[in-house]
Amino acid sequence: EAGVAQSPRYKIIEKRQSVAFWCNPISGHATLYWYQQILGQGPKLLIQFQNNGVVDDSQLPKDRFSAERLKGVDSTLKIQPAKLEDSAVYLCASSWGGGRADTQYFGPGTRLTVL
Amino acid sequence: LAKTTQPISMDSYEGQEVNITCSHNNIATNDYITWYQQFPSQGPRFIIQGYKTKVTNEVASLFIPADRKSSTLSLPRVSLSDTAVYYCLVGGSGNTGKLIFGQGTTLQVKP
Repeated sequence: EAGVAQSPRYKIIEKRQSVAFWCNPISGHATLYWYQQILGQGPKLLIQFQNNGVVDDSQLPKDRFSAERLKGVDSTLKIQPAKLEDSAVYLCASSWGGGRADTQYFGPGTRLTVL
Repeated sequence: LAKTTQPISMDSYEGQEVNITCSHNNIATNDYITWYQQFPSQGPRFIIQGYKTKVTNEVASLFIPADRKSSTLSLPRVSLSDTAVYYCLVGGSGNTGKLIFGQGTTLQVKP
């Protein structure tokens, strides 16, 4: 089966600009996750969707980050305006149900560099 | 959510068995223990998951003692391609199935 797709793979922007990332989960997966991974650290969950509803966004910096999952399939994560500390890899993952520690399947990530 | 503690790094040689131990003293009754592997420039990949005793699949074994306050990931006969970061995660018992990644263990396999 096809894996989780993400685009773009790399993005370089200047601070205060905006940027958007796109994710297409594995077909049939109800749950979608966005993680931020700063160099040398483990991934940090930003937001979790169950179908098109938000389950957990407790660690999403809502003053600058936003995410949506229209129709319960594809998702976009936006940063506006970007700060230097947003430089990281943004990972998208999906799972069947989202509960009971379902296996999460990760995409290749988008590496963001903010100058 | 239970916090996990694992070694920052480990070295091994090809053909050896590698055991990575993770401490999770505050594990909840319904929490699962899950291990992921991450190669550079890739997303994490699921390795193995367990609740108690021993679980084995085609790539690894997971040993969990009766008190479940620690777990050990065992990789048999590692090769250079096993060089990666290994994450131990505890959780998933809530409705959200939320998992928290720690810093992970960087395993370096030498020839």
